[in-house]
Amino acid sequence: GAVVSQHPSWVICKSGTSVKIECRSLDFQATTMFWYRQFPKQSLMLMATSNEGSKATYEQGVEKDKFLINHASLTLSTLTVTSAHPEDSSFYICSAKTSGSWHEQFFGPGTRLTVL
Amino acid sequence: QQQVKQSPQSLIVQKGGISIINCAYENTAFDYFPWYQQFPGKGPALLIAIRPDVSEKKEGRFTISFNKSAKQFSLHIMDSQPGDSATYFCAASRSSSNTGKLIFGQGTTLQVKP
Repeated sequence: GAVVSQHPSWVICKSGTSVKIECRSLDFQATTMFWYRQFPKQSLMLMATSNEGSKATYEQGVEKDKFLINHASLTLSTLTVTSAHPEDSSFYICSAKTSGSWHEQFFGPGTRLTVL
Repeated sequence: QQQVKQSPQSLIVQKGGISIINCAYENTAFDYFPWYQQFPGKGPALLIAIRPDVSEKKEGRFTISFNKSAKQFSLHIMDSQPGDSATYFCAASRSSSNTGKLIFGQGTTLQVKP
């Protein structure tokens, strides 16, 4: 089946630093990748949609200068949280889909970010 | 119109019982309705999905019932097991969207007691 990995699985950083999270599709080419954010006991909130080779589309209320998304290849997308603050602490999850699979998204295992 | 409303927020079921989770939507353009299972600290995993051209889909112990006129769909877990204890999310998307973006429900935490 389609496998999506994320790295790191957890990260702790100091306030003001930047953190990069990688999302890889291991056995398929992902034309579209999505980044979600999930707070404890809450649903997934879509942050942005990225298509390979083009700029990400951010959801309303998500700061594009704070959450930098790069989808440089068909198997890799990165999310960089710039100048992280404690309120950015959350569970970040990516998903990926192929052009052939119109609806189905394959989710990564998530990255737990803690900002001190 | 973009919302998907899910209930109940939490559910406790005895082992062997039937777990039922409901979702309702407003946007009639939605045409794909998946259910995801998520364990603590993990990403969601697709359980089962349905399109509005059928009223029911069954995969093992999991069944989706779909009522197009009422704009509702539900997940039934038959013979619930302690291993089914997880958070379940319904979602919806529309093929007219050029991204396939999913709209998620609020989630239901299921606890199956042995």
